[in-house]
Amino acid sequence: GAVVSQHPSRVICKSGTSVKIECRSLDFQATTMFWYRQFPKQSLMLMATSNEGSKATYEQGVEKDKFLINHASLTLSTLTVTSAHPEDSSFYICSARGQLNYGYTFGSGTRLTVV
Amino acid sequence: EDKVVQSPLSLVVHEGDTVTLNCSYEVTNFRSLLWYKQEKKAPTFLFMLTSSGIEKKSGRLSSILDKKELFSILNITATQTGDSAIYLCATTQGGSEKLVFGKGTKLTVNP
Repeated sequence: GAVVSQHPSRVICKSGTSVKIECRSLDFQATTMFWYRQFPKQSLMLMATSNEGSKATYEQGVEKDKFLINHASLTLSTLTVTSAHPEDSSFYICSARGQLNYGYTFGSGTRLTVV
Repeated sequence: EDKVVQSPLSLVVHEGDTVTLNCSYEVTNFRSLLWYKQEKKAPTFLFMLTSSGIEKKSGRLSSILDKKELFSILNITATQTGDSAIYLCATTQGGSEKLVFGKGTKLTVNP
């Protein structure tokens, strides 16, 4: 079945630094990638949708300059949290969908802690 | 505003019990409803429902959709401790690839 690899699984960074999270589709071409954020005991909140080769579409309230999304190839999308602050600490999950893959395949998530 | 509401938010049962999780939705141009199980990390896919009244079954889990009343249920029979997880319901809409998630039901199965 479809597999999405997300790295790193856990990262701790200092306030003010930037963190990059990678999401790779291993056995299919991901035409669309979704980035979610999940706070403890809450559901997945969609941050942005990205299509290969084009700019990401951000959900209302999500700062595009803070959460940089790049979807340069059909197998890789990255989320960069710039100038991270403690309030950015959260669980970030990507999801990918391909032309032939009607389903949504999730990565294993990244636990970000900003200290 | 599109919304997906799950109930209960939390449920504690004993092994062997049967549970029913609920998901109601109000979304424009509804296309499908999906159920996911989330343990410690990423959600894993359980079911996708598009038609009313057709039960989908996988082992002890089953689910059905009612498009007239705008809800779905997820049943788990003979629960096991390994069923402990957060169960998420999400909808898709025509013209969009986005998933709209409910808040989830946290199920705890005690031995």
